[in-house]
Amino acid sequence: QKEVEQNSGPLSVPEGAIASLNCTYSDRVSQSFFWYRQYSGKSPELIMSIYSNGDKEDGRFTAQLNKASQYVSLLIRDSQPSDSATYLCAVTAPGSNYKLTFGKGTLLTVNP
Amino acid sequence: EAQVTQNPRYLITVTGKKLTVTCSQNMNHEYMSWYRQDPGLGLRQIYYSMNVEVTDKGDVPEGYKVSRKEKRNFPLILESPSPNQTSLYFCASSSRRDYKYEQYFGPGTRLTVT
Repeated sequence: QKEVEQNSGPLSVPEGAIASLNCTYSDRVSQSFFWYRQYSGKSPELIMSIYSNGDKEDGRFTAQLNKASQYVSLLIRDSQPSDSATYLCAVTAPGSNYKLTFGKGTLLTVNP
Repeated sequence: EAQVTQNPRYLITVTGKKLTVTCSQNMNHEYMSWYRQDPGLGLRQIYYSMNVEVTDKGDVPEGYKVSRKEKRNFPLILESPSPNQTSLYFCASSSRRDYKYEQYFGPGTRLTVT
């Protein structure tokens, strides 16, 4: 059974700080990695995707992937109260690129 | 506007009364999927479809049916709903373009079975 693990949180950071969210996965051949943001009662919203080792930056968001360590992270710089949400990590595996396995999410709270 | 739509958004029904939740996307995506989300269990895939007339089971398919007769539509059918199917349901779609398979979610359907 493929697993995706995240700390459930809550992770609390002050406004303007860097929030660091972590995710580990069990299937060594996992190929595609995604971060979704979900506000309470709303649908998951794709914010980052990463497919190769290293860093990928998009605005205040940076995704980091280390396949050797089976680890993917999301950094949010200059955190804002509007970033307060649950962040879901999701991965796919070769041959099943349509099948996403999700972690249970990390609740982030950004305090003004 | 590119989007995935679901109807109804909220539904309260009784045990055993057949229901259908519709899902439609206007992005010409090949792939569509249904998930349920429950507290403490996260998002779990129910069924998915890789294209018209091609469907397969996800992780929790028991008690559900799907069909994919048209590329844009992927309805979820509960033939005889039970209280343990009370959940928040999401439909998602993605394209194979550039081999990225990024999935985009509909707004969700909150189902209560009494």
